[in-house]
Amino acid sequence: EAGVVQSPRYKIIEKKQPVAFWCNPISGHNTLYWYRQNLGQGPELLIRYENEEAVDDSQLPKDRFSAERLKGVDSTLKIQPAELGDSAVYLCASSPVAGSFNEQFFGPGTRLTVL
Amino acid sequence: AQSVAQPEDQVNVAEGNPLTVKCTYSVSGNPYLFWYVQYPNRGLQFLLKYITGDNLVKGSYGFEAEFNKSQTSFHLKKPSALVSDSALYFCAVRPISGGYNKLIFGAGTRLAVHP
Repeated sequence: EAGVVQSPRYKIIEKKQPVAFWCNPISGHNTLYWYRQNLGQGPELLIRYENEEAVDDSQLPKDRFSAERLKGVDSTLKIQPAELGDSAVYLCASSPVAGSFNEQFFGPGTRLTVL
Repeated sequence: AQSVAQPEDQVNVAEGNPLTVKCTYSVSGNPYLFWYVQYPNRGLQFLLKYITGDNLVKGSYGFEAEFNKSQTSFHLKKPSALVSDSALYFCAVRPISGGYNKLIFGAGTRLAVHP
């Protein structure tokens, strides 16, 4: 079974530039999550999707961050414009069923460096 | 506020010795509890979880964890450490009420197993 796929793995941009991250979850997983992991910290949830619907985006900085999950499969997270403080690892995860105690499966992450 | 504490930034253990990585939590109700491991340049991998029942939970790679409700702790343990266990370990909780499949992570503990 293929795991969660993310691209790119690394991205270096200058501040004020836009950037996008892509995630393909495990086949059949309805729930998709985007997390941000700052250096030396645990992941923090940015947004959760149930199929194509964003059901929890309370931690997403909506002035510069946006996300979409068209057709309820893969997802894109965008930052525009990027700021220095956005440097972090962006993790995508998926799980099969919402509202359950199933574990989440994580992708390798995208390491973003904003100069 | 709901939170997870991992009081040790780093744990050092000699190979073959038992190891313990500590985790305490502060959430309302009885949460689901998880341990994840993160190897360099890789995503988080699920180790084990506590949902209900026996307080001692066994997981992958010989790890186990003990749930203690009165102390609100969920310490990760292994009887005999291997050098290959060296990694970053994260404790996470999912509140049953309100949090609805949202994981709250600790800051992580780096485990170093020395030959």
